[in-house]
Formats: sequence, structure tokens, C-alpha cells
Amino acid sequence: EAGVAQSPRYKIIEKRQSVAFWCNPISGHATLYWYQQILGQGPKLLIQFQNNGVVDDSQLPKDRFSAERLKGVDSTLKIQPAKLEDSAVYLCASSLSHLYEQYFGPGTRLTVT
Amino acid sequence: QKEVEQNSGPLSVPEGAIASLNCTYSDRGSQSFFWYRQYSGKSPELIMSIYSNGDKEDGRFTAQLNKASQYVSLLIRDSQPSDSATYLCAVKGFSGGSNYKLTFGKGTLLTVNP
Repeated sequence: EAGVAQSPRYKIIEKRQSVAFWCNPISGHATLYWYQQILGQGPKLLIQFQNNGVVDDSQLPKDRFSAERLKGVDSTLKIQPAKLEDSAVYLCASSLSHLYEQYFGPGTRLTVT
Repeated sequence: QKEVEQNSGPLSVPEGAIASLNCTYSDRGSQSFFWYRQYSGKSPELIMSIYSNGDKEDGRFTAQLNKASQYVSLLIRDSQPSDSATYLCAVKGFSGGSNYKLTFGKGTLLTVNP
């Protein structure tokens, strides 16, 4: 069974630029999550989708971050404009539903200069 | 604010010893508990899940849960250098509506010395 796929794996941008990350969850997984992991900390949930609907985006900085999961499969996370403090690893995870274990993709390491 | 607390470490043990990793959580209504292993530069990998009080064993790993004390632990027997990683405790609790949310601790860095 293929795991969670993410791209790109690394991205370096300047502050005020925009960036987008892509995630393809494990086949059949209805729930998709985006996490932000800053160095030395645990992952922090940014947004959770159930199929193509948003279930929880309470910790998403909505003035600069947006995410969508239009067809209930792939998802994109966008940052516009980026700030220095957005430098982190962005992790996508998926699960059969919110009741089941979550499995993580390899992550995208973002550096904002 | 639901919190998950772990000692950041580093925890250093000799090869072959038992490594003991601990975690406490603030939300008494938490439903399920997970341990993830994260190697440097890699993403978290699920290694154990536990849902009820007591012990759960899987190979060299044993997870222990005490809901009354709001305490979860992970024991690694016969520790190997390949176990050197950060171990993340994650707790799933009710977040509103019909949804449950995973909250992570900051992780404990384990180093197993040959």
C-alpha cells in the first residue's frame, strides 16, 4: 500500500513570496491533516479535512494560509505572503476517519529567508 | 488549552538496556494515545497505540496507560542504537462537534550508546 505522498520535499523562498504544498493521502483515507512542525517541537495541527469539507481550522493563520481538498483526495496548502516564522516542516497525514490512526507523509521543509 | 508534556531529554541509555519514556496529558476526557518515532530529518512514524488502562506489548515495545493519573509511558527493551530518535507522545481528545483531534508533545530525544 502506497503511503502519503508530498511535494516538494524542500523549498526555499524569500519573505513575502508565496508557496504551495501538495499532498496525496493513502488510498481510501477520508480524513486528511496538515501539520506544522517547528524545529524542536511536536507537530501542530493547522487544518483537518473530512472528505472535501473542513472539520477543524482553528489554528490556521487564515490571513496568510489557505488549504483546499476539492475532490476529497489530493490537497494543497498555500502560504501567501510568507514570513520568516513560517520556516518549518509541513507534514500531511491521513487516516480512514478521525477515529483511526494517522499516518504521515515525508513532509516539506520550508525555509523563508 | 489541552497539553501533552514530555521530558525533552536527551535520555541516554546503553545498548541492551531498557529505555523508559514518559508523557502526561491535561485533558481527562482523552480517548486514545499514541507513540510516534521520528528520526532526524524524517517524518513521524506510528509505533504504538493504546486505548485502555494497562499495558500493551508489541515486540520490544510496551506502552502503559494510567488514565486516573493521566500518564502514558513507552518502554523499549533491549535498546539498540537504531532506536536513537525523538519519541513523540500524541493524545486524541474531543475537539468539538463530533470530531477528535490529536495533540502532540514536544518529544523526547533518546540516544542509545553502543
